[in-house]
Amino acid sequence: DIVMTQSPSSLAVSAGETVTINCKSSQSLLYSGNQKNYLAWYQQKPGQSPKLLIYWASTRQSGVPDRFIGSGSGTDFTLTISSVQAEDLAIYYCQQYYDTPYTFGAGTKLELK
Amino acid sequence: QVQLKESGPGLVQPSQTLSLTCTVSGFSLTSNSVHWVRQPPGKGLEWVGAIWSGGSTDYNSALKSRLSISRDTSKSQVFLKMNSLQTEDTAIYFCTGLFDYWGQGVMVTVSS
Repeated sequence: DIVMTQSPSSLAVSAGETVTINCKSSQSLLYSGNQKNYLAWYQQKPGQSPKLLIYWASTRQSGVPDRFIGSGSGTDFTLTISSVQAEDLAIYYCQQYYDTPYTFGAGTKLELK
Repeated sequence: QVQLKESGPGLVQPSQTLSLTCTVSGFSLTSNSVHWVRQPPGKGLEWVGAIWSGGSTDYNSALKSRLSISRDTSKSQVFLKMNSLQTEDTAIYFCTGLFDYWGQGVMVTVSS
């Protein structure tokens, strides 16, 4: 199974700050056939279902604010949230869908400083 | 619009079988995959398994000996069956279409 390692596990931020969440996979998620990275990012707020933010490592889902930026390739990926808003306080998960079984990172909890 | 809704018992006894249903609307099961994801209380997300548009299935490595996912396309329903339940299986179980559309989840508690 592909292991997804996220860091940090929690992050305390002030509104307006820029934050970076890291995700590392135990093997490359880049498929040579189409040059796409099979990596997604989700946001989950308390009591809610996860929400897809980014797929193919860097493509924002429709309706997701452009302050959410996904980057990276191969085994190292990053979710950057610029100018954090109060509504962004949530837990963020990365997930690989390169191969089954699909696997998630352990999550990064974004909290108010 | 696309909707998914999970249903099933909230309480299951240890060693018994869990049966959950995901009822889908606005979403073709023969064109799209449906996945099950679970989340133990206060913990992270765990992919449970999937049924693909063609009807084939894939399962979490740690659960595959106890797990079965099937569907009834005429009723737009996907089913999850997991046997030999233990307390560690206590979780919210979500079904999701393509990971873009999610049900609200159903809380399953394994307890005597």
